[in-house]
Amino acid sequence: GQQLNQSPQSMFIQEGEDVSMNCTSSSIFNTWLWYKQDPGEGPVLLIALYKAGELTSNGRLTAQFGITRKDSFLNISASIPSDVGIYFCAGQNYGGSQGNLIFGKGTKLSVKP
Amino acid sequence: DTEVTQTPKHLVMGMTNKKSLKCEQHMGHRAMYWYKQKAKKPPELMFVYSYEKLSINESVPSRFSPECPNSSLLNLHLHALQPEDSALYLCASSHGVGYTFGSGTRLTVV
Repeated sequence: GQQLNQSPQSMFIQEGEDVSMNCTSSSIFNTWLWYKQDPGEGPVLLIALYKAGELTSNGRLTAQFGITRKDSFLNISASIPSDVGIYFCAGQNYGGSQGNLIFGKGTKLSVKP
Repeated sequence: DTEVTQTPKHLVMGMTNKKSLKCEQHMGHRAMYWYKQKAKKPPELMFVYSYEKLSINESVPSRFSPECPNSSLLNLHLHALQPEDSALYLCASSHGVGYTFGSGTRLTVV
């Protein structure tokens, strides 16, 4: 089945630093999504990307849909303590017979004040 | 209303108990999902309901029994669970692209 490789697995950074994480796939998707999950809570959608090459921002977050449709990255600028959590990428082929989300394994972000 | 509401938040049950998890959404989403999530792992898909009909069962053991009484409600009936079934159970709904997740039920089987 489809698998997503998400890296890094974990990051420990200083408050104010920028963060970058990425996701690659062995097959193409027509939609890429980035979720954040706080402990004991469900994942919350941060950014959705719909077109190859698309660059989308949401506050301090910026994500891009790779031109090959097999990858995506998420950048967080000027990190703050509340950015702590696990970030999951997810690919989806919306409209296909198997349009379910395929999740990456997650990037655990820790921010030191 | 842009939320998926799950109850209970926490559940402890014995291996001989029968319990149910509940999920509710009022966003008009016609697809609803159950996921199981172990610590430090991504969510794993269990069941998909589309227009109130079960469309995907990811080879889940029969001790987990889903039910979709109407387009807003999704239940997961639990019976004779094992300690390894302890996990965070997430419900989600979707109108197509991307899913909205509930906060989950933390299940502990003793």
